[in-house]
Amino acid sequence: EVQLVESGGGLVQPGGSLRLSCAASGFTFSSYWMSWVRQAPGKGLEWVANINQDGSEKYYVDSVKGRFTISRDNAKNSLYLQLNSLRAEDTAVYYCARDSGTLTVVVFDYWGQGTLVTVSS
Amino acid sequence: SSELTQDPDVSVALGQTVRITCQGDSLRSYYASWYQQKPGQAPVLVIYGENNRPSGIPDRFSGSSSGNRASLTITGAQAEDEADYYCNSRDSSGSHVKIFGGGTKLTVL
Repeated sequence: EVQLVESGGGLVQPGGSLRLSCAASGFTFSSYWMSWVRQAPGKGLEWVANINQDGSEKYYVDSVKGRFTISRDNAKNSLYLQLNSLRAEDTAVYYCARDSGTLTVVVFDYWGQGTLVTVSS
Repeated sequence: SSELTQDPDVSVALGQTVRITCQGDSLRSYYASWYQQKPGQAPVLVIYGENNRPSGIPDRFSGSSSGNRASLTITGAQAEDEADYYCNSRDSSGSHVKIFGGGTKLTVL
């Protein structure tokens, strides 16, 4: 059974940092692109970042470029998101998702349960 | 970067058919995928590509596309289909950046 379990969320002050983790199991983690998707309270889904199978390609939404860093450790079946210089507008539930898509279609077929990041003084 | 546009609210009578649409330039080059999200839960993939349903998704859910528009159709809507629905595709730039539509809240009357 495929499982994605996020952790690392919490309350942090503006300007602070946090590291989110996503533990994957039930599939060959190193064979898939992985993404982080967030959802601010009462708002829609926003794709944040993704990383390819060996970590050599990384992409980000413009609003987090230079502040967030996505990474992975295939030996530990884990995905990470380092959040720096946090702002109030980064407050959201952060989901990790497996991308089984192709060049023509995005397929986020498995999602974690999410971890809440609250940025507030 | 490109955008995907969805109607914020759609309603349907129980047992009737409803279409939820998603519009954007990226859909001329890439297929959409669709996600259902109920309150307090993670999103669930319901349709992807030309018209593919993951295992366990009822066949009342179907997808289609034409030009810059993609549609999710629920034929014979059930009470449990009341949820938020999001479309998703790659950014039209051709990179691996992904985008979501703003979401459609479906009410089953």
